[in-house]
Amino acid sequence: EVQLVESGGGLVKPGGSLRLSCAASGFTFGAYTMNWVRQAPGKGLEWVSSISSSSGFIYYADSLKGRFTISRDNAKNSLYLQMNSLRAEDTAVYYCAKGSGGFDVWGQGTMVTVSS
Amino acid sequence: EIVLTQSPGTLSLSPGERATLSCRASQSVSGNYLAWYQQKPGQAPRLLIYGASSRATGIPDRFSGSGSGTDFSLTISRLEPEDFAVYYCQQYSDSPRTFGQGTKVEIK
Repeated sequence: EVQLVESGGGLVKPGGSLRLSCAASGFTFGAYTMNWVRQAPGKGLEWVSSISSSSGFIYYADSLKGRFTISRDNAKNSLYLQMNSLRAEDTAVYYCAKGSGGFDVWGQGTMVTVSS
Repeated sequence: EIVLTQSPGTLSLSPGERATLSCRASQSVSGNYLAWYQQKPGQAPRLLIYGASSRATGIPDRFSGSGSGTDFSLTISRLEPEDFAVYYCQQYSDSPRTFGQGTKVEIK
């Protein structure tokens, strides 16, 4: 079964850091572009970042540059999002998603809450 | 940045009716690299359409996508009870890979 499972979310204070992970199974992880998408409570979807199969191409939403870092370990079938200098407006469910031409597999999401 | 504007914000229809959702881009989406997703409360989004008009695996043929350039649409030919949800368009022709703000299809 093709599956993505996120972890690492939680409650963090403003200015803090968090590292999200996404474990992939059921497909050849190293062959696909991977992505992070977030959704603030009651709001729409916001693309966060994408990383190509071999990490050669990395893109970020303009609003996040310098604070978030996407990475992957193809040997461990895992995707990561390092989030630094977190703000209240980063509070959201963070999803990892597979694909470059439409995101065809999504995880269940992990909640990140930034609050003092 | 390509801004996607979806309309209407909410569509109130009855089961069996036809739904037409619109997604307009602020500039041309090259290659018609546009996708549609369905999201139900508490669930992750599900890919319905990619390449503006190709149905994703397992998607019923009552869902169809059309359009090119800056104007795209998603049509649900006959609404089933499970189709009442929020629908998002997304372009992947350029970075950032922006989403529209969503259209909620609710039961009338």
